[in-house]
Amino acid sequence: EAQVTQNPRYLITVTGKKLTVTCSQNMNHEYMSWYRQDPGLGLRQIYYSMNVEVTDKGDVPEGYKVSRKEKRNFPLILESPSPNQTSLYFCASSSPQEAGGPLIRQFFGPGTRLTVL
Amino acid sequence: DAKTTQPNSMESNEEEPVHLPCNHSTISGTDYIHWYRQLPSQGPEYVIHGLTSNVNNRMASLAIAEDRKSSTLILHRATLRDAAVYYCILKRNFGNEKLTFGTGTRLTIIP
Repeated sequence: EAQVTQNPRYLITVTGKKLTVTCSQNMNHEYMSWYRQDPGLGLRQIYYSMNVEVTDKGDVPEGYKVSRKEKRNFPLILESPSPNQTSLYFCASSSPQEAGGPLIRQFFGPGTRLTVL
Repeated sequence: DAKTTQPNSMESNEEEPVHLPCNHSTISGTDYIHWYRQLPSQGPEYVIHGLTSNVNNRMASLAIAEDRKSSTLILHRATLRDAAVYYCILKRNFGNEKLTFGTGTRLTIIP
């Protein structure tokens, strides 16, 4: 089954304790992205990756890191989490329907609910 | 990014058609109109997209105004499973491919 998986689905942690949220897709997609969702603010993009070893900042990258060493994985790293990073996080992936074409459909993971105390 | 305007909420009876409107008066010629929905406790899910012509797929239909300043997502026969927040998003097909989500329309289906 084509899917984007995220782990963990729920996490409660304390300020300053480094954590990683994993994201994996089994569709051989080039494009991957991380969003956070907060009440009243909608989904905002954190980082994105156009392909392996190619990453760039989205709208709210402060306090986050990413890496793209393999095509299928795109982990989100919080080196020193703070309470304002308490949020619902979504990973997404996509690929052109034809070579050189635009990305049309993005597939989203089930979300990771993070609480930083 | 060009902005979209949607009603905060709508209600519809089960098994009846639903028309979800979206205004995008500042749309540019290269903007595609995408619709996603988010079911409770799930990630967003692609519904449909279009540029100028009306589009149909197994989930819904998209009607685009001739001047492209508005569009309507049509669910032909709503079921309880269609209760979700529906997002109308303008996206240019180059570069980041970022989806800019607004607050969407919360659709409630009445049994």
